[in-house]
Amino acid sequence: AQKVTQAQTEISVVEKEDVTLDCVYETRDTTYYLFWYKQPPSGELVFLIRRNSFDEQNEISGRYSWNFQKSTSSFNFTITASQVVDSAVYFCALSPYNAGNMLTFGGGTRLMVKP
Amino acid sequence: NAGVTQTPKFQVLKTGQSMTLQCAQDMNHEYMSWYRQDPGMGLRLIHYSVGAGITDQGEVPNGYNVSRSTTEDFPLRLLSAAPSQTSVYFCASSPFWGPGTEAFFGQGTRLTVV
Repeated sequence: AQKVTQAQTEISVVEKEDVTLDCVYETRDTTYYLFWYKQPPSGELVFLIRRNSFDEQNEISGRYSWNFQKSTSSFNFTITASQVVDSAVYFCALSPYNAGNMLTFGGGTRLMVKP
Repeated sequence: NAGVTQTPKFQVLKTGQSMTLQCAQDMNHEYMSWYRQDPGMGLRLIHYSVGAGITDQGEVPNGYNVSRSTTEDFPLRLLSAAPSQTSVYFCASSPFWGPGTEAFFGQGTRLTVV
């Protein structure tokens, strides 16, 4: 069985602050994928990133960066210089290789960026 | 670019009523799935389908039925609604059944059972 924990249920920051969203996972599988999705106030989930368990390189995309550490089973997400438009619920998810497309989600972190 | 379309967006049901949540995708995706979203619990998989005519249960299938007669449509049926089924329901699709495949989500259906 898989488990994804997002211990921060709500985070509030002021615009331009950096913020890190934590994600810790548990799985017995040696091969798996990790994802981050964003759910803006409009409700739909938007794919942000996918990482497979063999690739521990950090990823940077504009103001977004992801830190995958297999040793601590963590896949943290950092937003640099946050903006009001970053306000959303962010979900971390896990999919073992042999589970195909089936996703196990964390409980989500609500990020509020105040002007 | 319709993507994944869910109807209705909002619904209120009385306990014991039945209804069907509709999901359609126009991307010719093989894989489709239904999740429910509850506060603090993230999204949990209800049912999924790897292609027309093939469906299987996810983590929380009780009280729900699905069928997949076409590639495009994947309706979710509540046979006898219960207050515990009050939730936001999301339909998702992926190009094929395979590890690490990106999921495309609909905008959700907010269901309240009173």
